[in-house]
Amino acid sequence: EIVLTQSPATLSLSPGERATLSCRASQSVSSYLAWYQQKPGQAPRLLIYDASNRATGIPARFSGSGSGTDFTLTISSLEPEDFAVYYCQQRSNYYSFGQGTKLEIK
Amino acid sequence: EVQLVESGGGLVQPGGSLRLSCAASGFTFSTYWMHWVRQAPGKGLVWVSRINNDGSNTIYADSVKGRFTISRDNAKNTLYLQMNSLRAEDTAVYYCVRWLTAGLDYWGQGTLVTVSS
Repeated sequence: EIVLTQSPATLSLSPGERATLSCRASQSVSSYLAWYQQKPGQAPRLLIYDASNRATGIPARFSGSGSGTDFTLTISSLEPEDFAVYYCQQRSNYYSFGQGTKLEIK
Repeated sequence: EVQLVESGGGLVQPGGSLRLSCAASGFTFSTYWMHWVRQAPGKGLVWVSRINNDGSNTIYADSVKGRFTISRDNAKNTLYLQMNSLRAEDTAVYYCVRWLTAGLDYWGQGTLVTVSS
């Protein structure tokens, strides 16, 4: 089983700041990693697939990078609607999610 | 418009069974792999199961293997999750999700399953 560890657990930032979220895999997942955003009371939304490809309709301020075991989701300049919980997910060996990073307003 | 509508959740006693359904519309259901993902109250996302487009291949998380069965009826555009031998730790919102090549691109609104005596 591939375990994904996200850090930090909580990130406190202000609108306009840059956010950097990390996801580390217990073994290589190549580039088979996706990122999701979930707001309270809503289903998750796909942001990034295959480590660096933005899903349809996702703003350019969201970007993903990494390969192997270390991945990063970057939000270049935070908008008020970006404060949410973010999950990474691998599809290299079955499927699994990280435990999530809560991005909160400072 | 793509829609995934889950139903069948509710309160069930430990050891009991429940069958979830997911009605799909707005896309060619028979050409997509489908997943179930669950989320316990206040917790993170947990992958449960996946079925390929024609139903011939299924896989499960270790936590539900042997107890849950995923299936689909492409003629009815419906995905199912049969859940047996339910435990308290199965309590969660269960999401029906479409798989698009490399990500889970459309999610239903979820159905709550509560396992309690």
